[in-house]
Amino acid sequence: DAGVTQSPTHLIKTRGQQVTLRCSPKSGHDTVSWYQQALGQGPQFIFQYYEEEERQRGNFPDRFSGHQFPNYSSELNVNALLLGDSALYLCASSSLNQPQHFGDGTRLSIL
Amino acid sequence: QKEVEQDPGPLSVPEGAIVSLNCTYSNSAFQYFMWYRQYSRKGPELLMYTYSSGNKEDGRFTAQVDKSSKYISLFIRDSQPSDSATYLCAMSYKNTGNQFYFGTGTSLTVIP
Repeated sequence: DAGVTQSPTHLIKTRGQQVTLRCSPKSGHDTVSWYQQALGQGPQFIFQYYEEEERQRGNFPDRFSGHQFPNYSSELNVNALLLGDSALYLCASSSLNQPQHFGDGTRLSIL
Repeated sequence: QKEVEQDPGPLSVPEGAIVSLNCTYSNSAFQYFMWYRQYSRKGPELLMYTYSSGNKEDGRFTAQVDKSSKYISLFIRDSQPSDSATYLCAMSYKNTGNQFYFGTGTSLTVIP
C-alpha cells in the first residue's frame, strides 16, 4: 500500500521564479494538506483541499496557491519566490476522522 | 505566544532509559493530540494520536493528555538507538483531518 508520495524530492530555484510541487495521497484518502517546514521548526499549515476545493487556509500570502484533481492528487504552486521560501514542503493526506499521514517532502532551495 | 510550545532540546539519553517528551498549549479548544517522529531528511511519521484527556499505550510508547493543565506527554520505555529522531507534537480543533498546529520538535539522541 503506497503511502503519500511527493515529487520532486529536491528543487533549486532563483528569486522571482515560480515552482510547482506535486503530491499523491495515500490510497483511500480524499483530503490533502500542505505544510511548510523551515529548518529547526515544526511544520506550518499552508492550506487544505477536499473535493477539489480549498477548505482551509493558514497564514500564507496568495503567492501560494494549490489545486486538487479528481483523483485526489494535488499541486502546490508558489509564485515570485523569495529567499525565505526555502524550506521543506510537506504534503499530508487523510480521510474522515483519520489522522494525517505525511510524505517525505520536497526540499526547496532558493538562490 | 505560540499556540503550541515544545522544548527543542537536544535531549541525549543512554540506551534503555525512559524518555519523557512534553508540549504545552494555550487554546483549550484543541481536542485531538498527535505525536510524530521525524528522521533526518524524512517526513513526519505518525506515532500516536489521542482524543481529549487520558492515556494511550502502544508498545514502548505511551501518550498522556491533561486538558486541565493544557499539557501533553510522550513516554518512550526501553529507548533504543533507532529512536534517535526529532519528535513533534501536533494538535487540532475538530478532527484529525483538520489543520494541525505543531510544536517546534524535540531532538532526541539515544546513545548505545
